[in-house]
Amino acid sequence: EPEVTQTPSHQVTQMGQEVILRCVPISNHLYFYWYRQILGQKVEFLVSFYNNEISEKSEIFDDQFSVERPDGSNFTLKIRSTKLEDSAMYFCASSGGVTDTQYFGPGTRLTVL
Amino acid sequence: AQKITQTQPGMFVQEKEAVTLDCTYDTSDPSYGLFWYKQPSSGEMIFLIYQGSYDQQNATEGRYSLNFQKARKSANLVISASQLGDSAMYFCAMRGEYGNKLVFGAGTILRVKS
Repeated sequence: EPEVTQTPSHQVTQMGQEVILRCVPISNHLYFYWYRQILGQKVEFLVSFYNNEISEKSEIFDDQFSVERPDGSNFTLKIRSTKLEDSAMYFCASSGGVTDTQYFGPGTRLTVL
Repeated sequence: AQKITQTQPGMFVQEKEAVTLDCTYDTSDPSYGLFWYKQPSSGEMIFLIYQGSYDQQNATEGRYSLNFQKARKSANLVISASQLGDSAMYFCAMRGEYGNKLVFGAGTILRVKS
């Protein structure tokens, strides 16, 4: 069964450093998303991506964040200068089909020190 | 704007019994989708079930069913014949008519007792 994959599973970085989180969405899906979940809190939408451009973004997704689909399979989230409050689980998701159900990857746990 | 409310922070259920997890929603969109996801302690988000706002029948997927009451704006998840592996956090989520983002509730932790 096709699934969304994410790498790395855990990333530790120093405050102010750039990080790139990688995702491989399900191959025939057209919509891609990033969400984050701060420990113990609800899942929050960051950004959606369709047809090689951002279709929607939240207030959290400020200038420090960017997304890219560098090739036909990968979808990346870049945080330019990490802050302590960026520590969270970051989920990639993709969707397609009649119900447009979003299927999530296993997540990348980002720890900013 | 959409809002999801899950009023039960935690629930216990005896193995093999049924349990209902509550979810109410608020939206002014004429059509929308409702979803339930399971998050085990390992952290991944697993899709369980979907209900469209215009669907006449309640959705079912194996042991999961969604008790959809549109007038009351509720979309409760019913798990029948609970298993120990059902112990997890459960999130209700909503997608509005405009845009594809999901809005999540705060979640309910379910513990299945043997």
